[in-house]
Amino acid sequence: AQSVTQLGSHVSVSEGALVLLRCNYSSSVPPYLFWYVQYPNQGLQLLLKYTSAATLVKGINGFEAEFKKSETSFHLTKPSAHMSDAAEYFCAVSGYNFNKFYFGSGTKLNVKP
Amino acid sequence: DGGITQSPKYLFRKEGQNVTLSCEQNLNHDAMYWYRQDPGQGLRLIYYSQIVNDFQKGDIAEGYSVSREKKESFPLTVTSAQKNPTAFYLCASSIETGGSYEQYFGPGTRLTVT
Repeated sequence: AQSVTQLGSHVSVSEGALVLLRCNYSSSVPPYLFWYVQYPNQGLQLLLKYTSAATLVKGINGFEAEFKKSETSFHLTKPSAHMSDAAEYFCAVSGYNFNKFYFGSGTKLNVKP
Repeated sequence: DGGITQSPKYLFRKEGQNVTLSCEQNLNHDAMYWYRQDPGQGLRLIYYSQIVNDFQKGDIAEGYSVSREKKESFPLTVTSAQKNPTAFYLCASSIETGGSYEQYFGPGTRLTVT
């Protein structure tokens, strides 16, 4: 069975500060991992995905995530937060050759001026 | 422009009424999904369909029904048997890219039942 745990339902950072959103997965097979962003009352938009090609994955809007198998983690980072980054972020996992996705409970990012 | 359309954006119903949420995609994706989103609970899978005329229950299918008569369309009916139907409903579709599947989401429908 696959599952995803996001530590911290709310994270607050100052504009210009490092953003770190945590995600740990549980998977019995090599996973595919994703980060999505959701703005209020909107659908989810794909930020980036890990598919085993490279452990450090770069996504849109300056975000990146590093896959660490030893820690079963896929944390999302951005060197410098912008006000427009304020949103909710979801980590998700899908199984190998399996067209089904499992989502974490989400982390709301607040960016202070 | 290719994408997923959900209508309406906001929907209000009285308790005891069935209501159908629309989801249409023109991405030519085979698989489609319905999720329910409640504050602090992330996304929970209601139903998914990998091909036309076939669908499977997700984790919280009770009180919901779906059909998949066309590749482009995957409507969700919230029946009166759903005990707590007020929520944000998201439709998604997926396609295989580079050996993995990638999901695309519609804008969502917020259903309020009173």
